[in-house]
Amino acid sequence: DAGVTQSPTHLIKTRGQHVTLRCSPISGHKSVSWYQQVLGQGPQFIFQYYEKEERGRGNFPDRFSARQFPNYSSELNVNALLLGDSALYLCASSLRLGGSSYNEQFFGPGTRLTVL
Amino acid sequence: LAKTTQPISMDSYEGQEVNITCSHNNIATNDYITWYQQFPSQGPRFIIQGYKTKVTNEVASLFIPADRKSSTLSLPRVSLSDTAVYYCLVGEPLPNSGGYQKVTFGTGTKLQVIP
Repeated sequence: DAGVTQSPTHLIKTRGQHVTLRCSPISGHKSVSWYQQVLGQGPQFIFQYYEKEERGRGNFPDRFSARQFPNYSSELNVNALLLGDSALYLCASSLRLGGSSYNEQFFGPGTRLTVL
Repeated sequence: LAKTTQPISMDSYEGQEVNITCSHNNIATNDYITWYQQFPSQGPRFIIQGYKTKVTNEVASLFIPADRKSSTLSLPRVSLSDTAVYYCLVGEPLPNSGGYQKVTFGTGTKLQVIP
């Protein structure tokens, strides 16, 4: 079975530009989350989507937005890029949203974004 | 929000057992404890999850005391390929109304396995 896939693997942009990152979840998974990982730190939660609706948002500015499509794939958009947006952007999918037990998340390989 | 505290780094020789302890004093009743492993330039990979007492799978064991304010990940007989960053996470509670699952990563423990 294919795991979580992300594209592109690497991306170089300049300050002020816009970027779109894409994620395809594991087949059957309906929840997608996005994380930003700056070098040397743990991943930081950005968004979670479930059934095409935003269900959670971390402490990121409005320049960050996302959406989930009917096939459960997702896009993360970042406008007006800053140097500090340089990071590894990780997508994770999970089978469901709720439940009484922790819902394991499966992470993709990430997209390395460099802002010059 | 339940926060976690782990040692920044650890060294171990090949073949030894490694124990990484995580502190989570503010863990909530419904929270689970989960450990992830991350290699450079890769996404984190689930290792093990538990709620209380002891959990064991094919790669690790997780020990959780009765008060659940800490947990210990145990890796038996580590090899060079176990060199990675290990994250302890406490699962955010999910409201019955349908909240979201915010996963909070700390800075992790960088394990270096030495030949």
